[in-house]
Amino acid sequence: EDKVVQSPLSLVVHEGDTVTLNCSYEVTNFRSLLWYKQEKKAPTFLFMLTSSGIEKKSGRLSSILDKKELFSILNITATQTGDSAIYLCAVEAWGGSEKLVFGKGTKLTVNP
Amino acid sequence: KAGVTQTPRYLIKTRGQQVTLSCSPISGHRSVSWYQQTPGQGLQFLFEYFSETQRNKGNFPGRFSGRQFSNSRSEMNVSTLELGDSALYLCASSLVPGQPKSFYGYTFGSGTRLTVV
Repeated sequence: EDKVVQSPLSLVVHEGDTVTLNCSYEVTNFRSLLWYKQEKKAPTFLFMLTSSGIEKKSGRLSSILDKKELFSILNITATQTGDSAIYLCAVEAWGGSEKLVFGKGTKLTVNP
Repeated sequence: KAGVTQTPRYLIKTRGQQVTLSCSPISGHRSVSWYQQTPGQGLQFLFEYFSETQRNKGNFPGRFSGRQFSNSRSEMNVSTLELGDSALYLCASSLVPGQPKSFYGYTFGSGTRLTVV
């Protein structure tokens, strides 16, 4: 059965800190790994990763995938209070289904 | 471009009742997927619809059902509600199944918060 494990489940930091969120996965016929940010209700897309070792970057956020060790990390540098959210990792398999398998998320709280 | 619209936003129901939730996808999107989100289990896949047909179903009891209409709008129904059905129900839409799920490839609605008392 496909599985995604995120760690830590919860994290409290101060503004300006750098954080690393972890995501390990097991999936048959891997297609992509996705990161989402969920502030109130709708998860919003951050990154889609399909190849090992290629860093995706957007402002202070970056992410990388290791397909050999089956994990991904999401880094946030110089955190701001607006980064407070639940960060979700999900994997998608080839096969035509729209199903994503999600981890339970990491709740990040950034204090001023 | 209007996003994915879910109605109602909030709902309170009593155990044993049934409930219907609605999801209108982004204009032009024809595939709709549903998820249940709870603090304990996270987001779990319920089912997906394309061209009015259910293509895939998650591991949920038969009390959970859904359908899709010819205009791609989808509804999900939960019968004989239990306390454990209290959750945020999210839907996501995409153009057609199998597209890469990058930025607009798979868009979530804001969800319906269901509370069962």
